[in-house]
Amino acid sequence: DIVMTQSPDSLAVSLGERATINCRSSESILYSSNNNNYLAWYQQKPGQPPKLLIYWASNRQSGVPERFSGSGSGTDFTLTISSLQAEDVAVYYCQQYYSPPWTFGQGTMVEIK
Amino acid sequence: QVQLQQWGAGLLKPSETLSLTCGVYGGSFRSFFWGWIRQPPGRRLEWIGESNHSGSTKYNPSLKSRVTISVDTSKNQFSLKLTSVTAADTAVYYCAMSRGTFDFWGQGTLVAVSS
Repeated sequence: DIVMTQSPDSLAVSLGERATINCRSSESILYSSNNNNYLAWYQQKPGQPPKLLIYWASNRQSGVPERFSGSGSGTDFTLTISSLQAEDVAVYYCQQYYSPPWTFGQGTMVEIK
Repeated sequence: QVQLQQWGAGLLKPSETLSLTCGVYGGSFRSFFWGWIRQPPGRRLEWIGESNHSGSTKYNPSLKSRVTISVDTSKNQFSLKLTSVTAADTAVYYCAMSRGTFDFWGQGTLVAVSS
């Protein structure tokens, strides 16, 4: 199985400041034939199912605010919230869909400082 | 916009069979895979498996011996059965539309296993 490891486990950021979450896969999830990274990011608020934010490592899902962006390639990826809003308080997960079983990171809790 | 609504028993005894069903509304049931993901308390999300409309399935090897995912195309529904449950199977179970990514999710069902 591909192991997904996120860092940090939690972070506290002031409103309007940048939040950065890292995700590392135990092997490359870049498919060379199409140059796509099979990496997604989700946001989960308490009592709710996860919500897809980013796919192919850097493509925003429809309706997701522009302050959310994804980057990275191969084994190292980043989710950035450029200007943290109160409604962004949540747990964020990365997920690989390169090779089954699809696997998730352990989650990063984002709070307001 | 696809909506998923799930239902099933929330309290089981050890050795019983977990059974959940998910209804799909507003989307093309034949175009995607339909899967189940669980979230044990304090632990990461775990993909259980998925099926397409014709019954082609993929399962997580860690659960494969106990899991069956089936579909009912006449009702746009799919179901999860997990046999011989133990306390380790206590989790919130979600159904979801799968394209590798999970674009739409059910509301979740807390399943507790306790004697």
